[in-house]
Amino acid sequence: LAKTTQPISMDSYEGQEVNITCSHNNIATNDYITWYQQFPSQGPRFIIQGYKTKVTNEVASLFIPADRKSSTLSLPRVSLSDTAVYYCLVGPPGGTGFQKLVFGTGTRLLVSP
Amino acid sequence: DAGITQSPRHKVTETGTPVTLRCHQTENHRYMYWYRQDPGHGLRLIHYSYGVKDTDKGEVSDGYSVSRSKTEDFLLTLESATSSQTSVYFCAISDSVNTEAFFGQGTRLTVV
Repeated sequence: LAKTTQPISMDSYEGQEVNITCSHNNIATNDYITWYQQFPSQGPRFIIQGYKTKVTNEVASLFIPADRKSSTLSLPRVSLSDTAVYYCLVGPPGGTGFQKLVFGTGTRLLVSP
Repeated sequence: DAGITQSPRHKVTETGTPVTLRCHQTENHRYMYWYRQDPGHGLRLIHYSYGVKDTDKGEVSDGYSVSRSKTEDFLLTLESATSSQTSVYFCAISDSVNTEAFFGQGTRLTVV
């Protein structure tokens, strides 16, 4: 499974857009990129998954360049409730059965008023 | 939220005692997982199951065993608890339909 590298922490203010970049230089052809969010004292929660270009849902956007060696999770207009740890994972796509999720240490996002 | 219940939510136990954590799901998902989370390590996979009575080891399985006698229950046992097993334990489930894996609320285990 490809190793990922992401910033340890980021700070932002309410209403700003936050972009968290993840590096995955050894991503395999069949690998997808998935982001999870974890609030204190809770289990991780799926945010978004993509393979290439751009994916958007009601929570976030995921930008993946053509070489797929990195990806950027974009959170528009963050609020205090977006304070959490964000994990970037690389591997086979979800929905195909067994998911061997490999979590790194994640990016701790702190949103201030 | 997906129907996953972990019990107990908190436990303090003494070194050398056996401990069993339970994960119960009502989603009929085939795959179940146990992770532990420690500061500086993210979540690490302990054991997983791909069906009733079918289990396998993850990356940090030493000192742990699991059992899955029913689809809905996945038990994690610490055969002889050690202080290094003080951690937060998360159960997760997945299937062949949903993109996402669903996690439980976690069990905080302290071994003294």
